[in-house]
Amino acid sequence: SQTIHQWPATLVQPVGSPLSLECTVEGTSNPNLYWYRQAAGRGLQLLFYSVGIGQISSEVPQNLSASRPQDRQFILSSKKLLLSDSGFYLCAWSLTSNYEQYFGPGTRLTVT
Amino acid sequence: AQSVTQLDSQVPVFEEAPVELRCNYSSSVSVYLFWYVQYPNQGLQLLLKYLSGSTLVKGINGFEAEFNKSQTSFHLRKPSVHISDTAEYFCAVSTQGGKLIFGQGTELSVKP
Repeated sequence: SQTIHQWPATLVQPVGSPLSLECTVEGTSNPNLYWYRQAAGRGLQLLFYSVGIGQISSEVPQNLSASRPQDRQFILSSKKLLLSDSGFYLCAWSLTSNYEQYFGPGTRLTVT
Repeated sequence: AQSVTQLDSQVPVFEEAPVELRCNYSSSVSVYLFWYVQYPNQGLQLLLKYLSGSTLVKGINGFEAEFNKSQTSFHLRKPSVHISDTAEYFCAVSTQGGKLIFGQGTELSVKP
């Protein structure tokens, strides 16, 4: 069966520090991968998605970047965090053949 | 462009009462529709999906939803809720690019 992991689970970082969040998927090959951000009391905002290694599409201009160095690894990064980067970050995957997405447990990021 | 509107941001209900969470979408093409549930500080879990066929879709935890093409709605229902159903519920619609667009969420609060 397929599983998706995210780490760390929680993170507190000062403004201006770098960020690296990791997401890995097991049990499937060549998945589509997604990064979402969920701000307090709001819905999900799609940040990035990837259909293959090295292929990243950005949905909104922002202080973040994403990379996919391996088929089942998706990384969210920032060189300098802003207060507005605080939120709950969710990684998800789907098969290329359908639209159903499966979500990881999320990372709670607090920028202080 | 597709969009999703969840008509209620919060729905309080007593235990064992029926509940309906409303979702309307807009799209000029055929869509796939989903309902996800999110418990506090967790990722999203798929409740049910409509891809084609019967307009009444049954999901996990006793939930069901009805696809109404003429009213562009996909309302979620449960005939008798439990305390454990307290969570945030998200409606989502597929896009031609294979991504999902989520509504802003409905917070279901089940009271004893």
